[in-house]
Amino acid sequence: QLQVQESGPGLVRPSETLSLTCTVSGASISTSSYFWGWIRQPPGKGLEWIGNIYYSGSTYYNPSLKSRVTISVDTSKNQFSLEVVSVTAADSAVYYCARQVRTGSSKYYFESWGQGTLVTVSS
Amino acid sequence: QTVVTQEPSFSVSPGGTVTLTCGLSSGSVSTTSYPSWYQQTPGQAPRTLIYSTNTRSSGVPDRFSGSILGNKAALTITGAQADDESDYYCALYVGGGTSVFGGGTKLTVL
Repeated sequence: QLQVQESGPGLVRPSETLSLTCTVSGASISTSSYFWGWIRQPPGKGLEWIGNIYYSGSTYYNPSLKSRVTISVDTSKNQFSLEVVSVTAADSAVYYCARQVRTGSSKYYFESWGQGTLVTVSS
Repeated sequence: QTVVTQEPSFSVSPGGTVTLTCGLSSGSVSTTSYPSWYQQTPGQAPRTLIYSTNTRSSGVPDRFSGSILGNKAALTITGAQADDESDYYCALYVGGGTSVFGGGTKLTVL
């Protein structure tokens, strides 16, 4: 049974870097069938796709966040990570990691979600 | 910047039928947008309901169905129940490895 679990600091100072890790268990991250993605949800607002990564390291980003976001993968640890630089209060959100299907006739949907982790940007 | 549109709110009576839609600010939604639908209750992670337009995820009741209606994707709930009261989000694949979520629809069952 696949599980994805977010971890990282719950509080980040403005202008600093937000760093989160998603640990994958129950399946290998090194599979051609999936992307591994990050989605966030500011308090009281909707879901926003941040970006995703393929196990080879290929990445795709939301154009509105691309200049500040980096997603990376560590296949040896079965983990992938998110960094957002120069954060402001607008980056405060629940951050979810998820597995996204990338092959086959049914694809591009978010199949498995983590429980989410709240990150607050505040001094 | 691609914008995905959803009704902000909708209301349905218990036992009734409701159709939520998911459109594009410019252009039409088609099966190659691979529309998917997610249900979210407060404090919980989203739950995958429908993918690839009309395929129900495992364990999703058959009162939930997906389709393309005109130039939009649609989620229909037939025989709404009290515990269907949730936020519903659609997501579309817009090419180049990128996806976009709609703003969500808050469904009230009363």
